Amino acid sequence: DQQVKQNSPSLSVQEGRISILNCDYTNSMFDYFLWYKKYPAEGPTFLISISSIKDKNEDGRFTVFLNKSAKHLSLHIVPSQPGDSAVYFCAACRTGTASKLTFGTGTRLQVTL
Amino acid sequence: DVKVTQSSRYLVKRTGEKVFLECVQDMDHENMFWYRQDPGLGLRLIYFSYDVKMKEKGDIPEGYSVSREKKERFSLILESASTNQTSMYLCASSTTTGGRETQYFGPGTRLLVL
Repeated sequence: DQQVKQNSPSLSVQEGRISILNCDYTNSMFDYFLWYKKYPAEGPTFLISISSIKDKNEDGRFTVFLNKSAKHLSLHIVPSQPGDSAVYFCAACRTGTASKLTFGTGTRLQVTL
Repeated sequence: DVKVTQSSRYLVKRTGEKVFLECVQDMDHENMFWYRQDPGLGLRLIYFSYDVKMKEKGDIPEGYSVSREKKERFSLILESASTNQTSMYLCASSTTTGGRETQYFGPGTRLLVL
């Protein structure tokens, strides 16, 4: 049972345009959400997070939006740069459950020149 | 900066061998984790540990065991490696602040079981 879903395995975007990566979850107990970025042959690195008490969190070129009623979150990258090409994982957890992050299957973003 | 290191980047083992994957973190984090990453399946949690000598099963513990004798070190053991354990293994550590935490990952160990 995939509780966190990233339905797009891949996405290609031109440099300078907006990249939108989507993530859906089914467990209504999740209240904290994170995005990780992974380059080949490296471990995932934390990118940005959002608590369920917010609907938006911004950090430079990266913005995460949370729609609790739709159980949907999205990561916006603007403007996209070639160095953003990587696999992006969405993750979710319930506060107080001590670390049980549930990851999505990942979306491979390719930013083209 | 948090540093999580894993003992090997690449390993090739034979079916039936006992395999040890070591992970060390330098930030005095209480929590440590082992995941495997497979194409189309994302990251799946194998085991995690809240503290020294404490361990909890994750989503896919079968065929694996773990050891945490020191706070900074978390070992994953494949008692008898099988070909379906060929995968990328990722270690992570985290600390909990106000009920929230961020996990920091090591570079991964790519294991091939022949």
